[in-house]
Amino acid sequence: DTGVSQNPRHKITKRGQNVTFRCDPISEHNRLYWYRQTLGQGPEFLTYFQNEAQLEKSRLLSDRFSAERPKGSFSTLEIQRTEQGDSAMYLCASSHVGFEQYFGPGTRLTVT
Amino acid sequence: KQEVTQIPAALSVPEGENLVLNCSFTDSAIYNLQWFRQDPGKGLTSLLLIQSSQREQTSGRLNASLDKSSGRSTLYIAASQPGDSATYLCAADDYKLSFGAGTTVTVRA
Repeated sequence: DTGVSQNPRHKITKRGQNVTFRCDPISEHNRLYWYRQTLGQGPEFLTYFQNEAQLEKSRLLSDRFSAERPKGSFSTLEIQRTEQGDSAMYLCASSHVGFEQYFGPGTRLTVT
Repeated sequence: KQEVTQIPAALSVPEGENLVLNCSFTDSAIYNLQWFRQDPGKGLTSLLLIQSSQREQTSGRLNASLDKSSGRSTLYIAASQPGDSATYLCAADDYKLSFGAGTTVTVRA
């Protein structure tokens, strides 16, 4: 198993554009999480899935954000009408229920 | 809402010295406490996970303790090396992780 992977690793976009990120979890993990990290801060929880069900969304996840995990495998995080405040590192993690979370390398988003 | 605090924010030590990193959390109803390492511009590497029923966990030169009732965890790194320079993050796990801002460690050769 190669661990959690995320694509793209870097994304530069203009304000107002839509972007989509992909996360491929460790294959046998049934939980998948999205976090966002800004410079000098720890990651903040955005949302998580158990299999294909999205069980919780943070208040940080405005209506412009949507996440999916079709068939309980990979997940996508889409941001519509990006704003400069969306610039951050977006991190994905996966785990078995109640066990250690393993993180991917992240997608760094820059909104110009 | 879980609040996690890490003290100190930064630490610089000479090679060979032992490191002590502190983490406190406000809500003791957690499943686990997890420690991570993050290198600049990179993702998080899991170092240790302490289950709520455990008092400590060890891996090589790393030892982490957990006092759930007082809302505290400490990460000890023995005989520090320049390669230990990184930011260390603790996270309280109540099915989602709540992170502190991290302690940035510099080990001087």
